[in-house]
Amino acid sequence: KAGVTQTPRYLIKTRGQQVTLSCSPISGHRSVSWYQQTPGQGLQFLFEYFSETQRNKGNFPGRFSGRQFSNSRSEMNVSTLELGDSALYLCASSSKTQTGSSSPLHFGNGTRLTVT
Amino acid sequence: GQNIDQPTEMTATEGAIVQINCTYQTSGFNGLFWYQQHAGEAPTFLSYNVLDGLEEKGRFSSFLSRSKGYSYLLLKELQMKDSASYLCAVSTSGTYKYIFGTGTRLKVLA
Repeated sequence: KAGVTQTPRYLIKTRGQQVTLSCSPISGHRSVSWYQQTPGQGLQFLFEYFSETQRNKGNFPGRFSGRQFSNSRSEMNVSTLELGDSALYLCASSSKTQTGSSSPLHFGNGTRLTVT
Repeated sequence: GQNIDQPTEMTATEGAIVQINCTYQTSGFNGLFWYQQHAGEAPTFLSYNVLDGLEEKGRFSSFLSRSKGYSYLLLKELQMKDSASYLCAVSTSGTYKYIFGTGTRLKVLA
């Protein structure tokens, strides 16, 4: 089974621009989550999607948005980039369907975003 | 609030045993996970505990005490390739998100 695939691996953008990151989950996984990883803060939850519906959102400004398509692929968008948005953005998929169950997250290799 | 604490760094010698602790305070608990992350790579799943006690998987074991909000990851017969960050994460009930600690960077010395 192919793992979680994220594109692109690296991105350099300037302040004020916007960016779109892409994630293809493991086949059969319908839950896709996004996390931001920075050295000081660790992994911070951005949002989670299941069957094209956002089920949970973290404490990030509205500049951060996402969506999921019918094939479970997901995209994340950041508008009006700020220097502080420089981070590794990780996508993870799981077979988790309900809040009462737990399944491990399977992570992609991430997109390293640098904002200058 | 919701919080997970882990030591920032640990150092151990090849062949030794190391224990990485994790304490958590979350509103609702639905399981605790440990992940390994090598520099520049994705986190990979190591272990899962939802009931109190020890789960053993080869050289790695993980322990959970729900009443104490405490877990540890035990690594035996350390190898150089075990040098990595180890992330503790809690699945919170009623939500679809996982709360992560900031990770423990383990250095294994020859």
